[in-house]
Amino acid sequence: EDQVTQSPEALRLQEGESSSLNCSYTVSGLRGLFWYRQDPGKGPEFLFTLYSAGEEKEKERLKATLTKKESFLHITAPKPEDSATYLCAVDGSSNTGKLIFGQGTTLQVKP
Amino acid sequence: EAGVAQSPRYKIIEKRQSVAFWCNPISGHATLYWYQQILGQGPKLLIQFQNNGVVDDSQLPKDRFSAERLKGVDSTLKIQPAKLEDSAVYLCASTTPGANVLTFGAGSRLTVL
Repeated sequence: EDQVTQSPEALRLQEGESSSLNCSYTVSGLRGLFWYRQDPGKGPEFLFTLYSAGEEKEKERLKATLTKKESFLHITAPKPEDSATYLCAVDGSSNTGKLIFGQGTTLQVKP
Repeated sequence: EAGVAQSPRYKIIEKRQSVAFWCNPISGHATLYWYQQILGQGPKLLIQFQNNGVVDDSQLPKDRFSAERLKGVDSTLKIQPAKLEDSAVYLCASTTPGANVLTFGAGSRLTVL
């Protein structure tokens, strides 16, 4: 059974304090690993898709990396506006779009 | 480009009552999903449509949940009768067939008392 586990559940950072969020996954055949951002009262917003081990993608202060067992979302010099819940998901079935989500990491960045 | 529209945004009902949620996907997106997100958890797929056909409803509690997409555009998710554990945000998402980057709506928050 496909599974996604994210850690930590919650993370508090000072503005400018870099850190990483972890996403561990087990899937029979990875068709894509996704990172989404979710603000309170809103739906998840797409950030990145990674398809193979070694792949990296960047967007502003965010960088996502992928290995065969886990993905990291690195946040460099975060700002308060980066505060949100970050969700990791895998597409591992033959049914494209059936994403298995982790429980999320809630990030709070204090000024 | 307009996003995925959902209504109502909030609904409070008592257990054993019924409720319906509506979703209008992005124009041209043939694939539509309903996800359930319980507080503190990640979204879980309930049902997937391609046009007006069901692709996957394996995790839909069919004794109380139903969904339809009659004309292959907008969709309705119904719960009858509701239970306390149905309290959650119901997210609608859409994409083009074969693509796996989903665009989500803002969700409909259900509270069952």
